[in-house]
Amino acid sequence: GQSLEQPSEVTAVEGAIVQINCTYQTSGFYGLSWYQQHDGGAPTFLSYNALDGLEETGRFSSFLSRSDSYGYLLLQELQMKDSASYFCAVKVDSSNTGKLIFGQGTTLQVKP
Amino acid sequence: NAGVTQTPKFQVLKTGQSMTLQCAQDMNHEYMSWYRQDPGMGLRLIHYSVGAGITDQGEVPNGYNVSRSTTEDFPLRLLSAAPSQTSVYFCASSPRQFSYEQYFGPGTRLTVT
Repeated sequence: GQSLEQPSEVTAVEGAIVQINCTYQTSGFYGLSWYQQHDGGAPTFLSYNALDGLEETGRFSSFLSRSDSYGYLLLQELQMKDSASYFCAVKVDSSNTGKLIFGQGTTLQVKP
Repeated sequence: NAGVTQTPKFQVLKTGQSMTLQCAQDMNHEYMSWYRQDPGMGLRLIHYSVGAGITDQGEVPNGYNVSRSTTEDFPLRLLSAAPSQTSVYFCASSPRQFSYEQYFGPGTRLTVT
């Protein structure tokens, strides 16, 4: 079976740093992606880790540890517009079929 | 460049009716997929395609059919709608070499009564 675990909700204040964790147990693993979704709109791609370590893209960073089957998304200098749902997704197929399995999502609420 | 488009935006069906959700992309992406999103359930893969003429099942394929006759279009057919298929449906596409970065359409909100 496939399972990805994320916290269901996280709350933080504007300007703070927040970390959203993702642990996975999948039949195959070829990388971890993160997506953002505002109010039921279209999910948008944030970052991808194929190898262990930290990837930084502006205020957002993503980390992967394949030995621990664990990754996280780090959001710095939080802004009100960062209030959204965040999904981790595992690429489970090496043949570039694009097959992703998504976690259930973490709702981030940013307070003033 | 319109990206990924989906029609209709909203749809109400009666149990047993059939319909087709349309999805098109203008980015020449090889990979396309359909997901459904239910409250608290994240995105679940229904069917996907790696190119014209090639489709495969995802996590929750029962009750849905797909075909891919062109690179641009990937319609999803509900054969006999059931209340359990009430959901938001998203279509996505990506280039084959960057399949971890998928571009999503705006979604179709389907209610089956």
